[in-house]
Amino acid sequence: GQQLNQSPQSMFIQEGEDVSMNCTSSSIFNTWLWYKQDPGEGPVLLIALYKAGELTSNGRLTAQFGITRKDSFLNISASIPSDVGIYFCAGPGPSGGATNKLIFGTGTLLAVQP
Amino acid sequence: DTEVTQTPKHLVMGMTNKKSLKCEQHMGHRAMYWYKQKAKKPPELMFVYSYEKLSINESVPSRFSPECPNSSLLNLHLHALQPEDSALYLCASSQTGKRGPNYGYTFGSGTRLTVV
Repeated sequence: GQQLNQSPQSMFIQEGEDVSMNCTSSSIFNTWLWYKQDPGEGPVLLIALYKAGELTSNGRLTAQFGITRKDSFLNISASIPSDVGIYFCAGPGPSGGATNKLIFGTGTLLAVQP
Repeated sequence: DTEVTQTPKHLVMGMTNKKSLKCEQHMGHRAMYWYKQKAKKPPELMFVYSYEKLSINESVPSRFSPECPNSSLLNLHLHALQPEDSALYLCASSQTGKRGPNYGYTFGSGTRLTVV
């Protein structure tokens, strides 16, 4: 089945540093989503990408839809303590009809030292 | 209203108990989902409802029984659970259709379930 692998698995950085993480798939995706999950909360959508090569920003976050359609990247500039959490990539799984079955990546845990 | 509300936030239940998790949204979304998440792992899909009908059951044991009474509500009935069922249970909703700017799910904050 489809699998999404994220790297790195975890990152421990100093406040103010830039962060890069990526998500790769063995198969092609037509949509890439990036979510952040704070402890004890549900995932929150950060950025959605719909077209190969697309580069989209949301404040200090920038995500790119890889040209091969098998990968996506998320960058966070000038990290701050509230960036702490688990970042998940996600993409639509195989499904019929009108439902949107999402497959989640393995996650990247980000810790920011003040 | 752009939220998915889940109750209760925490639940402790014995293996012989019957309990229910509740989820509510008023965004007009016609697709609703139950996910199970273990610590530091990605959410795993359990059930999908589309237009109040069960469309996907990811081979979930029958001790988990979903119900969608109307387009705004989603329940998960629990009976005879095992300790390994302890997890964060997340509800989500989305617009139907596979593309578009509102493709992504909106998640609730989850119910932290502990089975003792």
